[in-house]
Amino acid sequence: SQQGEEDPQALSIQEGENATMNCSYKTSINNLQWYRQNSGRGLVHLILIRSNEREKHSGRLRVTLDTSKKSSSLLITASRAADTASYFCATDAGSNYQLIWGAGTKLIIKP
Amino acid sequence: NAGVTQTPKFQVLKTGQSMTLQCAQDMNHNSMYWYRQDPGMGLRLIYYSASEGTTDKGEVPNGYNVSRLNKREFSLRLESAAPSQTSVYFCASSEDRGSNQPQHFGDGTRLSIL
Repeated sequence: SQQGEEDPQALSIQEGENATMNCSYKTSINNLQWYRQNSGRGLVHLILIRSNEREKHSGRLRVTLDTSKKSSSLLITASRAADTASYFCATDAGSNYQLIWGAGTKLIIKP
Repeated sequence: NAGVTQTPKFQVLKTGQSMTLQCAQDMNHNSMYWYRQDPGMGLRLIYYSASEGTTDKGEVPNGYNVSRLNKREFSLRLESAAPSQTSVYFCASSEDRGSNQPQHFGDGTRLSIL
């Protein structure tokens, strides 16, 4: 079962532009996490946002959470070629334990 | 600091063969997980171990078994491989069980069943 669904499935932008990816989910959550996966590698944790938080920042990353719309967005500012990767959201569907993963957004940064 | 190490990185099996995927973490984490990743789908949890000595089924446990050998190691066994088990398998660990815990991943085992 997929709790989180990322949108768009794929995104191609020019280096230096901002990239925005969205994650929608179906049931109430306690926490939502974003991960990055470079081609052929494992996933790397980026940001965790709790249900009582609305926004978190980490370097060039900004994550927002709107629990009323059951959605989150990941913004990468001033994109670089190294940001080319797939990005996944994972939610807990209120269970506090098991993470349920979306299918990811494939981001390509063109030089 | 190696983090999470998976072996082997690649494997090709024939239908019906068995094999064990190995995973070890050096972060002193209590919880460990096995996922499979298929094209166009999110990660799906196969089994997890909340702490040493415990294992529990995830979303897709059929056809697999696991062993939490000690705090560091968590292995996944395919007893009789089937083509439907062709996938990329990821092991992950976290400090504790909980959706507020970041998970740390290995680089995966790419498994093909012919």
